[in-house]
Amino acid sequence: SAVISQKPSRDICQRGTSLTIQCQVDSQVTMMFWYRQQPGQSLTLIATANQGSEATYESGFVIDKFPISRPNLTFSTLTVSNMSPEDSSIYLCSVVGTGAYNEQFFGPGTRLTVL
Amino acid sequence: AQSVTQLDSQVPVFEEAPVELRCNYSSSVSVYLFWYVQYPNQGLQLLLKYLSGSTLVKGINGFEAEFNKSQTSFHLRKPSVHISDTAEYFCAVSPYNQGGKLIFGQGTELSVKP
Repeated sequence: SAVISQKPSRDICQRGTSLTIQCQVDSQVTMMFWYRQQPGQSLTLIATANQGSEATYESGFVIDKFPISRPNLTFSTLTVSNMSPEDSSIYLCSVVGTGAYNEQFFGPGTRLTVL
Repeated sequence: AQSVTQLDSQVPVFEEAPVELRCNYSSSVSVYLFWYVQYPNQGLQLLLKYLSGSTLVKGINGFEAEFNKSQTSFHLRKPSVHISDTAEYFCAVSPYNQGGKLIFGQGTELSVKP
């Protein structure tokens, strides 16, 4: 398994500002993802964070709004830019473990409220 | 493209009753299948997964699921639920050879009443 921590755990932000969320893993992992869970809804994949190259974004998500960094195999950041109330969500990072194929482990999430 | 449909948004049951949470998927490629549970104010936890082999898979907390390829379903069952099973349950698929990304269903809220 993998132990994942996220910072901050929650934040309240003003419209128009940006917030950077950090994800730290206790072991080196190849695949790391960022998801969004809007209030009362399911998880939606934002992007795959690639080490050493640009992230791969899913349909409906763009780099200008959600820039992602992945400087090494244990750390990634997601920035939510120019926030609006519609960005209020829980943001989760996940990693694919080195054990059973495709088993993903999730961080505790960052609960973001935009006023 | 892939999609996952969880047919029930809410399932209320009484304690010690059996429960089935339904999940159907659509995919043009082969997929792995997962059920995750999210307890109130907690993170996601893997319940069980189907990668290959026997179509009946057993997970934690007494849950099991059966993969039916012809019906593209992966329903989750438990013969006798407890109050502590109250949570949100998510079905998810992961396409082969796409690095492990997950596509989630909408979730089913299981509410167990005494």
